[in-house]
Amino acid sequence: AQSVTQLGSHVSVSEGALVLLRCNYSSSVPPYLFWYVQYPNQGLQLLLKYTTGATLVKGINGFEAEFKKSETSFHLTKPSAHMSDAAEYFCAAISGGSNYKLTFGKGTLLTVNP
Amino acid sequence: KAGVTQTPRYLIKTRGQQVTLSCSPISGHRSVSWYQQTPGQGLQFLFEYFSETQRNKGNFPGRFSGRQFSNSRSEMNVSTLELGDSALYLCASSLPSKTYEQYFGPGTRLTVT
Repeated sequence: AQSVTQLGSHVSVSEGALVLLRCNYSSSVPPYLFWYVQYPNQGLQLLLKYTTGATLVKGINGFEAEFKKSETSFHLTKPSAHMSDAAEYFCAAISGGSNYKLTFGKGTLLTVNP
Repeated sequence: KAGVTQTPRYLIKTRGQQVTLSCSPISGHRSVSWYQQTPGQGLQFLFEYFSETQRNKGNFPGRFSGRQFSNSRSEMNVSTLELGDSALYLCASSLPSKTYEQYFGPGTRLTVT
């Protein structure tokens, strides 16, 4: 079965510092991969996705992620953190074929310090 | 284009009662999925509907059920509520050609007392 692991349930950075949120998936067949962000008392917002093609994908709000098949990873980065980036981030995967179920990691809470 | 809407946003029920949650997908989206989010278990898939048919189901007891209408709106029902059913219930919709790309609503916060 597909599984997604997010390293670090809580990451704290200073405003202007690099943001790096880690995600690894387990699948012999590369799945489609996603990052979602959740602000307090809100639903999930799609940040970016990898399906096929270019392994470096850019998303909204200056975030990007790189799909590395050899490392089964899909880490999320942003060069310079902003206070408004403070939220919970979820990595998710969906297998191809007829499986329409998103499998989520446990989430990483990002805190941005002034 | 309006996003996914869910009603009600907040709900308080008593153990043993039943509840119905509603989800209206983005216009043109025909697939609707439901997820349960709790602090302990995280985000878990409940079920997915497409053209009024349940295509996938997660590992939840039969007390959890859903349906989809011809206009793609969906409802989920939980019968005989238990304290452990307290959660944020999220609905997501997607285009027929991009079922993997799911857009989420704000959720319904259910509290069972």
